[in-house]
Amino acid sequence: GAGVSQTPSNKVTEKGKYVELRCDPISGHTALYWYRQSLGQGPEFLIYFQGTGAADDSGLPNDRFFAVRPEGSVSTLKIQRTERGDSAVYLCASSLGYIGLTGELFFGEGSRLTVL
Amino acid sequence: AQSVSQHNHHVILSEAASLELGCNYSYGGTVNLFWYVQYPGQHLQLLLKYFSGDPLVKGIKGFEAEFIKSKFSFNLRKPSVQWSDTAEYFCAVKTPRADKLIFGTGTRLQVFP
Repeated sequence: GAGVSQTPSNKVTEKGKYVELRCDPISGHTALYWYRQSLGQGPEFLIYFQGTGAADDSGLPNDRFFAVRPEGSVSTLKIQRTERGDSAVYLCASSLGYIGLTGELFFGEGSRLTVL
Repeated sequence: AQSVSQHNHHVILSEAASLELGCNYSYGGTVNLFWYVQYPGQHLQLLLKYFSGDPLVKGIKGFEAEFIKSKFSFNLRKPSVQWSDTAEYFCAVKTPRADKLIFGTGTRLQVFP
């Protein structure tokens, strides 16, 4: 499709398990963002990639969270030793280059993570 | 740290009523401002944006927003809402040195026919 694709759409896991969430951005978009949205909250910034490199990872809450984008397209958000507090919708968004030019992020529908 | 406040958490209106959703941000310098909307079951999408120039910005579906620098505000308005405007609305800000959007907590709008 033409939009941002995220898989899985739903993931239920047990506390302590490892989880990977995948994002396939719009073709040609060099910027890729991960946000986390908890119930009743707005999207909270996690990490931003420009190409293959993480340009800003200041939003990652701790070292259990890690993200990669090895070929500058698909990105994977990895969460180790999941905790119940990690339950949220994880949103991926992409942008055509520097967001300061267009100001528009194109969001996927999110991956809902539930940690039991 | 920069932040965005949306004081209206849940707004309920009848069709044809006028809408104003508040948004305030905390940053003293130049900012870019945005409103995003999330319709039920859909992804977040851009409603309108302010970069510079005319502080009254018009977006899609009859929405507009006014940037008032002295009040650090960027309120969203629509003269006459429709049932199809039922959605969650998020205000966001981008500051010059950070290539990311900071979002508010959102306002849930319900419009009844």
